[in-house]
Amino acid sequence: AQKITQTQPGMFVQEKEAVTLDCTYDTSDPSYGLFWYKQPSSGEMIFLIYQGSYDQQNATEGRYSLNFQKARKSANLVISASQLGDSAMYFCAMRGGYSSASKIIFGSGTRLSIRP
Amino acid sequence: GAVVSQHPSWVICKSGTSVKIECRSLDFQATTMFWYRQFPKQSLMLMATSNEGSKATYEQGVEKDKFLINHASLTLSTLTVTSAHPEDSSFYICSAEGAVTDTQYFGPGTRLTVL
Repeated sequence: AQKITQTQPGMFVQEKEAVTLDCTYDTSDPSYGLFWYKQPSSGEMIFLIYQGSYDQQNATEGRYSLNFQKARKSANLVISASQLGDSAMYFCAMRGGYSSASKIIFGSGTRLSIRP
Repeated sequence: GAVVSQHPSWVICKSGTSVKIECRSLDFQATTMFWYRQFPKQSLMLMATSNEGSKATYEQGVEKDKFLINHASLTLSTLTVTSAHPEDSSFYICSAEGAVTDTQYFGPGTRLTVL
């Protein structure tokens, strides 16, 4: 069975500092994808970054980078130079298998609050 | 980027009525759409997966007769909450995935309140 674990229910970070949101996963699929989504108070799910299990390099998208450690089954999200607008819920998610119809499962989320 | 819309964005209804929520992929063909529900301060829970032209696949514990899903075209899926009750009040979010997309794109969500 697949499982995503986020152990930080909430975090407070000073503006402009970097922050790491933890995510560990468990799967028996040899091929899988890992995602991070941001959910502000409005409720929409905003896709941030994707890492494929066979990708050799860690994914980066602007201020977001994914610290992918396959042997440890971790996929932590790093946000550099945090901004007030980064305050939101962050969900780590995983999809297993090759099929585009494979369902995504979500972690419990981390509420990030940026202090001015 | 891929855009998914949902309508309505919020709805209030009386107990016992049915509510239909639409999910549309605006700029790509969605071969698969997913329906989630999210209770306050909780994560997203997958309810069902629907493929265009076929019956939806429901997750364990989700009543298929209560949550009717139709994926009639490559750009539209609907979720109908039948005989809604207050415990059905939740945030319902759809996502869509197409043959040319590498991830699921989410709609903005629909907040359902059943009185």
